[in-house]
Amino acid sequence: AQTVTQSQPEMSVQEAETVTLSCTYDTSENNYYLFWYKQPPSRQMILVIRQEAYKQQNATENRFSVNFQKAAKSFSLKISDSQLGDTAMYFCALANSGYALNFGKGTSLLVTP
Amino acid sequence: ETGVTQSPTHLIKTRGQQVTLRCSSQSGHNTVSWYQQALGQGPQFIFQYYREEENGRGNFPPRFSGLQFPNYSSELNVNALELDDSALYLCASSPGLAGTFYEQYFGPGTRLTVT
Repeated sequence: AQTVTQSQPEMSVQEAETVTLSCTYDTSENNYYLFWYKQPPSRQMILVIRQEAYKQQNATENRFSVNFQKAAKSFSLKISDSQLGDTAMYFCALANSGYALNFGKGTSLLVTP
Repeated sequence: ETGVTQSPTHLIKTRGQQVTLRCSSQSGHNTVSWYQQALGQGPQFIFQYYREEENGRGNFPPRFSGLQFPNYSSELNVNALELDDSALYLCASSPGLAGTFYEQYFGPGTRLTVT
C-alpha cells in the first residue's frame, strides 16, 4: 500500500519570505513519481512541481523547489519569495507506473502582507 | 486548447437519489480519472477509464460507476446517495497509459451536497 503523510495542517508565511512544506511517503515500488499540487479557493487543482524517483537531482520550477530524500522517503516543497497568490491548500501526491494519484491530507498555506 | 471541464458546478440531492456528473477531457487525452475530495481531506481515487474501459478502481462501492464515451468524455454515476457522498468530485485527464505515468490535468470539480 502507498501512503502519503503531510504533518503540517496549517502554515503561515510573510510575503517575500521562504517557507518549506513537509511530506513523507511510503511505497514498495522502485519506480514512482512525486508531485506537489496547489488548490486555491477556486478549487482547481494545479500541478506545481513533479519529481521522478529515479532522478537524483531535485526538481525546480521558478520559485518552487523540492528536497527529495529517497532513502528517508521525504519530499518537501520550498517556496521562495512567497507571494499573496501562493495562498492555497498544498497537496503532496505519489503515483507509480499504475494509474492512481495518492494524496496526502494537505497543508493550508497562508501568505500574509 | 480547451482544458478539462466539469458539469454541473454545484448540485444538491436527497439521500437515496441518483446523480450523474460529467467531465470533458482535455483535447488529445484518452484517459480520465475520477477523485472524491471530502471537506478538509485530500482527493481519493475512485476509478479510471482508458479508451472506454475501466482501467482501475479505488476502494469505492459498486454504486459508484462510470462511463467513457468515444470522444473520451466521461460520466460518474452514484446510486442510492448517502450523506457521506457529499464532497467535491474531481475529474482529471491525461494523454495515455501503457505503463507510464502521465501527468493528470484536473477540472474545477463538481460540489455535491446530499441532504
